[in-house]
Amino acid sequence: GAVVSQHPSWVICKSGTSVKIECRSLDFQATTMFWYRQFPKKSLMLMATSNEGSKATYEQGVEKDKFLINHASLTLSTLTVTSAHPEDSSFYICSARRMDRSNQPQHFGDGTRLSIL
Amino acid sequence: RKEVEQDPGPFNVPEGATVAFNCTYSNSASQSFFWYRQDCRKEPKLLMSVYSSGNEDGRFTAQLNRASQYISLLIRDSKLSDSATYLCVVNVPPDSWGKLQFGAGTQVVVTP
Repeated sequence: GAVVSQHPSWVICKSGTSVKIECRSLDFQATTMFWYRQFPKKSLMLMATSNEGSKATYEQGVEKDKFLINHASLTLSTLTVTSAHPEDSSFYICSARRMDRSNQPQHFGDGTRLSIL
Repeated sequence: RKEVEQDPGPFNVPEGATVAFNCTYSNSASQSFFWYRQDCRKEPKLLMSVYSSGNEDGRFTAQLNRASQYISLLIRDSKLSDSATYLCVVNVPPDSWGKLQFGAGTQVVVTP
């Protein structure tokens, strides 16, 4: 079964709205979570690394004031797209790094499809 | 040059046939290699890790060539359900299971 839950799955909203996406690890604690964005027919691009209890580390070119990340607990990281515009429309995927008994580097959430009108 | 490069395809494969494709990576210090599968509008799912000596998982065989910095995936006896985009994934050094670099994917379409 799923070990990482992402919510919501789909968001459609007006330009200028802020949108919050949640990523939860379901049966393990994740000190590190990752946020990706994927445009159609493109690769997943890492946006930032979310670290529990500390500030996120953003990749080059990603605006930290635009994409706010909060990792306040060991099982939850949130990404808020502030004042979203049509160019922010994309598929956002989170993943969590599981340190115990895992056979893979990261477990992915289902993704959130964001459409800004 | 992209850090992880793949032929986008599509590879149109008759059911039951074999298909193979490669991926090249630019960072010679990478130590971990994976193939993920992504279905349309879904999250990536791990297909298999790629080990130095090559490895097989059922109908899937992965190879790693460190000297030439490429990995390959071969699918035997293709099934309709194998239709998907296959993502080549490489770790970003130095953490072998930390940040990952994704290729844009190779699309495989298996036809009846």
